Amino acid sequence: AQTVTQSQPEMSVQEAETVTLSCTYDTSESNYYLFWYKQPPSRQMILVIRQEAYKQQNATENRFSVNFQKAAKSFSLKISDSQLGDTAMYFCASRGGYQKVTFGTGTKLQVIP
Amino acid sequence: GAGVSQSPSNKVTEKGKDVELRCDPISGHTALYWYRQRLGQGLEFLIYFQGNSAPDKSGLPSDRFSAERTGESVSTLTIQRTQQEDSAVYLCASSSWDSGNTIYFGEGSWLTVV
Repeated sequence: AQTVTQSQPEMSVQEAETVTLSCTYDTSESNYYLFWYKQPPSRQMILVIRQEAYKQQNATENRFSVNFQKAAKSFSLKISDSQLGDTAMYFCASRGGYQKVTFGTGTKLQVIP
Repeated sequence: GAGVSQSPSNKVTEKGKDVELRCDPISGHTALYWYRQRLGQGLEFLIYFQGNSAPDKSGLPSDRFSAERTGESVSTLTIQRTQQEDSAVYLCASSSWDSGNTIYFGEGSWLTVV
């Protein structure tokens, strides 16, 4: 079984500042993938970043990076130089083996001008 | 197709009517998911298809909900005798090992039951 926990229902950040969204997970699989998805008001789910568990190096995508702590089962998302367009709901997710993907409950991020 | 396609985009139906929502996954994707998302809420898992394995129906909220998938292609989610609490966006997603397990979502079908 897999679980994904996002303990921050809502967060806010000033434009151009840095914010970190938390996520912890649990899985019995040895080979698994972790994801962060963004859902803006348009409702379209967009992949932000993906991490393969066997890779120790933290994934980065432009202003987005993760802090993957495998032993602690932690997978936080850091957004640098926050922009108004980053305002959205962010979901953390995990998938191992052929198990279905499991999503957290989401963190609503508001970027303040 | 290039992405996950869902139809209809919007559906308004009267309470008690049946509705069918369709999902065309990305070609070659073996895994397909249905989620329900009520306004301001998170994703509620409904059903998961993986290849030729028996689907995981553990998220279906009642026997009014059912879903079928033809091989590794189109899926249909059927809601019978719709209720007002069924009003939500229904999201379909697909993935495969070849795509690095990344889950790709459609734009959703907005269902309003009046």
